[in-house]
Parts: sequence; structure tokens; C-alpha cells
Amino acid sequence: ETGVTQTPRHLVMGMTNKKSLKCEQHLGHNAMYWYKQSAKKPLELMFVYNFKEQTENNSVPSRFSPECPNSSHLFLHLHTLQPEDSALYLCASSQDRGGQGTGELFFGEGSRLTVL
Amino acid sequence: GQNIDQPTEMTATEGAIVQINCTYQTSGFNGLFWYQQHAGEAPTFLSYNVLDGLEEKGRFSSFLSRSKGYSYLLLKELQMKDSASYLCATMDSNYQLIWGAGTKLIIKP
Repeated sequence: ETGVTQTPRHLVMGMTNKKSLKCEQHLGHNAMYWYKQSAKKPLELMFVYNFKEQTENNSVPSRFSPECPNSSHLFLHLHTLQPEDSALYLCASSQDRGGQGTGELFFGEGSRLTVL
Repeated sequence: GQNIDQPTEMTATEGAIVQINCTYQTSGFNGLFWYQQHAGEAPTFLSYNVLDGLEEKGRFSSFLSRSKGYSYLLLKELQMKDSASYLCATMDSNYQLIWGAGTKLIIKP
């Protein structure tokens, strides 16, 4: 496998469920990101990990909990979500967090989340 | 505040040329990116501009004017597969990406 892989691609959950999204990158990058993409809105940065350390948390509600066990894997744990959390959740990676090269992001294809 | 503006939707004809504009206001500037996103797929990197001028890559070119806070993506010899959303993003002084809402480009035969 190459690039950034996200699973599951689609997820439907109730407001009381607990689920997790998984992201894996095979690019040897040191920075990983979670973004939320809603229709006709700009990408919203949720969390950033650089060298496995969380460096940014953009005022994300606590019902979203990230985990980065190593520089290749990133999880987003979900619990007691709301219907307005329904969106496409994109994982991305880059060589590192800013300053090196262009900072180009490599995205996974996303996990489409529907909260009922 | 920080803001990126780009048209919501554009329509063009196969074989023609289309220009997608992006204007921005950010705190500091460390470059401007264009990404392409086909429906249901991952965004993919198209271009990066940090200096004024035009960068050409095959059928796609990207232009930047830092003094005007303006960029455009120029697509030539349009093909049906160019139907996608095009995302403009700037990198601010903290190396954080500020994203536009994207321009949905529809190509008609």
C-alpha cells in the first residue's frame, strides 16, 4: 500500500455509540492531521500531530478524541456525537509541520460519517 | 481576520480555458496552494506559489500576486476529467493552512 489510507470509508452511528476512525500513512512523514469537511465550507483543521506529539487542537469538542500511537498511525475516537457532526473526516500527512519544503499535504480519501 | 474567497461554482466547455480566482487576507504569508478534489476522493496537490508570477505545469498554471492578495488557477484544453472541486489555501506566518470553501468546476461537452 502507498499513500494515506483511511478506514472505514463510510460509518453510520447513533448518538450514543462509540466508534473510531483510523488513518495510516506509508510515506515516512512526521506530521499527521485530522480535518473535517462539510459541504460548501472550508476544510476545518481539528488536530495536528508532529513527531507523535499533539501540537494543535482547534477548539474541538471533547466528544472527538485523537490518538497517535506512532508517526504512521492516527485515530479519531468518537463518542456521543451530534447530528451536526455528520461530515467527511479527512486524514492528511506532511513531511513535518511547517517550514520544510512546501508543506504539501497528502490526504486520505476520507471517512464519511453520518450521525443519526 | 483571515479569509479566503473563491467562486462557489463555475461551468466551462470541454476544450476551452477556465480561470479560477482566489483572493486572500491572512496573517503573514508562507505560500499559496491549489488542490484538486474529485467527488468522493481525496484532495490532491496541484501547485504551490510563494513568489509573484506564473508557474506552469502542463495544462495547469497558477499565478500569484502577493501585493494584491490574489491568485488564480488556469486550466487549458479542458477535459471532462477536470470536473472537480478546486481548493485554494494559504499558509500563514504560523505555517497554518487557511482554506477557501472550494470552487466546483463543471465541464460540459
